Amino acid sequence: KNEVEQSPQNLTAQEGEFITINCSYSVGISALHWLQQHPGGGIVSLFMLSSGKKKHGRLIATINIQEKHSSLHITASHPRDSAVYICASPRNYGGSQGNLIFGKGTKLSVKP
Amino acid sequence: NAGVTQTPKFQVLKTGQSMTLQCAQDMNHEYMSWYRQDPGMGLRLIHYSVGAGITDQGEVPNGYNVSRSTTEDFPLRLLSAAPSQTSVYFCASSLQGPNTEAFFGQGTRLTVV
Repeated sequence: KNEVEQSPQNLTAQEGEFITINCSYSVGISALHWLQQHPGGGIVSLFMLSSGKKKHGRLIATINIQEKHSSLHITASHPRDSAVYICASPRNYGGSQGNLIFGKGTKLSVKP
Repeated sequence: NAGVTQTPKFQVLKTGQSMTLQCAQDMNHEYMSWYRQDPGMGLRLIHYSVGAGITDQGEVPNGYNVSRSTTEDFPLRLLSAAPSQTSVYFCASSLQGPNTEAFFGQGTRLTVV
């Protein structure tokens, strides 16, 4: 079982739709990251959260620590939201600092 | 406002050749890491560093070397390229490790023929 699992793997939506991407993790965490990778390949950090909810523009991220589950929501989706969305969870690996474990990503395509 | 600068963006190597992928950050981050991204898989950790002079292996370190002589720079060396190293490579940095926001370079698409 992967330590970080995302669903769905692929998602196609019409412009304006409300979108939800889910992330479940099996390792204990202190923070969970949501990242965006555009077709050009670059990766940017959207959110880092350890409890509750965070909002930035049309993007909302929520987390439930007890259920080890996080969701990324996009309201009023737009074609420019088309990208791969990746969640990542910190895990101790070897040394004390640990590192990020990544999900395989959700490829979102928003049609006009 | 450079952030994380990673070069080159594209590279083609012949089997057996060596090369260095460069990574530099100007945010005074202690924590830097290298990942590879392959189709159908999540990003996987190659090597990481928690500060100048300190490096450690990640999940897939074989065939790669790193060093961290300064806080700013964290180069990744491929010693003798193999076709299995064809991948997209990302350098990332964060202030204090995986519990702080991560900043990524633009990626290097490497093809080994």
